[in-house]
Amino acid sequence: QVQLVESGGGLVKPGGSLRLSCSGSGFIFSAYYISWVRQAPGKGLEWLSFISSDGTVISTAASVKGRFTISRDNSKNSVFLQMNNLRAEDTAVYFCARELGHTYLDYWGQGTLVSVSS
Amino acid sequence: EVVLTQSPATLSLSPGERATLSCRASQSVHIYLAWYQQKPGQTPRLLIYDASHRATGVPARFSGTGSGTDFTLTISSLDPEDSAVYYCQQRTNLYTFGHGTKLEIK
Repeated sequence: QVQLVESGGGLVKPGGSLRLSCSGSGFIFSAYYISWVRQAPGKGLEWLSFISSDGTVISTAASVKGRFTISRDNSKNSVFLQMNNLRAEDTAVYFCARELGHTYLDYWGQGTLVSVSS
Repeated sequence: EVVLTQSPATLSLSPGERATLSCRASQSVHIYLAWYQQKPGQTPRLLIYDASHRATGVPARFSGTGSGTDFTLTISSLDPEDSAVYYCQQRTNLYTFGHGTKLEIK
């Protein structure tokens, strides 16, 4: 079955960096776009970034552009989110999700919690 | 950026009743809109895509309509398990989500 598992979250100080990983299994990972979405505590969903199946097409939300960078390694069935200059408002659960033909998000991981606090 | 406005923010209905949830876009998204259901402590689940197509395994009581800027998710006969937050999402100009409608089943 399709599975996505995020890792790399944790507690970081303001201004710090984290690299999140998303590992996929149960499907042909290299054939799918992958997105990152976050959800602050008690809040709604915020799309952050997507990367094409071969890694050549990337888009990122204006709210995190210049601080967050998405990448992938299809040999490891993994997508990454490098997050720099973290702020308190970046505190959230971060989900990766598979895209249904580069349109909508049909499978989601369970998420990894990022807490930014001094 | 396309802004999606969902209404109402909260909806409280009884089992068997009909729920109507609205999503309005700040500019036309054609039919490129999806609905997701998120139950407490769970990840979002894709319900409807391209405005009116049910995703795999979604019960027939869920239906979506609309195009352009106005969209509706209808749940024809509420079940207690439908208690959740429902989000709309557009894919015309990057991706954005609405702020959600919390559906409570009394």
